[in-house]
Amino acid sequence: DTVLTQSPALAVSPGERVSISCRASEGVNSYMHWYQQKPGQQPKLLIYKASNLASGVPARFSGSGSGTDFTLTIDPVEADDTATYFCQQSWNDLTFGSGTKLEIK
Amino acid sequence: EVQLVESGGGLVQPGRSMKLSCAASGFTFSNYGMAWVRQAPTKGLEWVATISYDGSSTYYRDSVKGRFTISRDNAKSTLYLQMNSLRSEDTATYYCTKATTVGWFAYWGQGTLVTVSS
Repeated sequence: DTVLTQSPALAVSPGERVSISCRASEGVNSYMHWYQQKPGQQPKLLIYKASNLASGVPARFSGSGSGTDFTLTIDPVEADDTATYFCQQSWNDLTFGSGTKLEIK
Repeated sequence: EVQLVESGGGLVQPGRSMKLSCAASGFTFSNYGMAWVRQAPTKGLEWVATISYDGSSTYYRDSVKGRFTISRDNAKSTLYLQMNSLRSEDTATYYCTKATTVGWFAYWGQGTLVTVSS
């Protein structure tokens, strides 16, 4: 299985820029996707195929990367962005990262 | 508006069976693949199974092959997950998702909790 590695947690202040990374154990082309899960809610698709913004998602969110290294960027961060962010690849089977918990100070 | 509403979860003993349902609305159900994704308590996400738009193709993660069956009724716009020989490690919230052919999950239901315990 392709293992996706994410940092466990980040803390930033409102108005700042934050980058959340996801590293794949093998290349996944551009088939990396990002989800936001707020406490007590279901996940929501933010970015598909590395850099495509999902419908209704604010332009403050962006994605980049290819191969094994990918980044989700939020700029500027808002208080409502408190959530866990998961990456997921669909190049080799379907696997998720363990999630990065984002705290807004 | 896409809506996915799961039902059928609850407490079940190890080795027993349970069937989950997902009622879909707001899109042409018969045109899209669907999938189940689960999340154990305080854990990450794990893909479980996928079914093609017409039900002709199904895919499973290794740990549920031979125990779980994904199916659909396009006339009723409903997705199912039949779970047999349940184990404690199957305890999770199960999410119904509208899938894509290239593997991301565009919409998610609110989830239904399955607890496998004696």
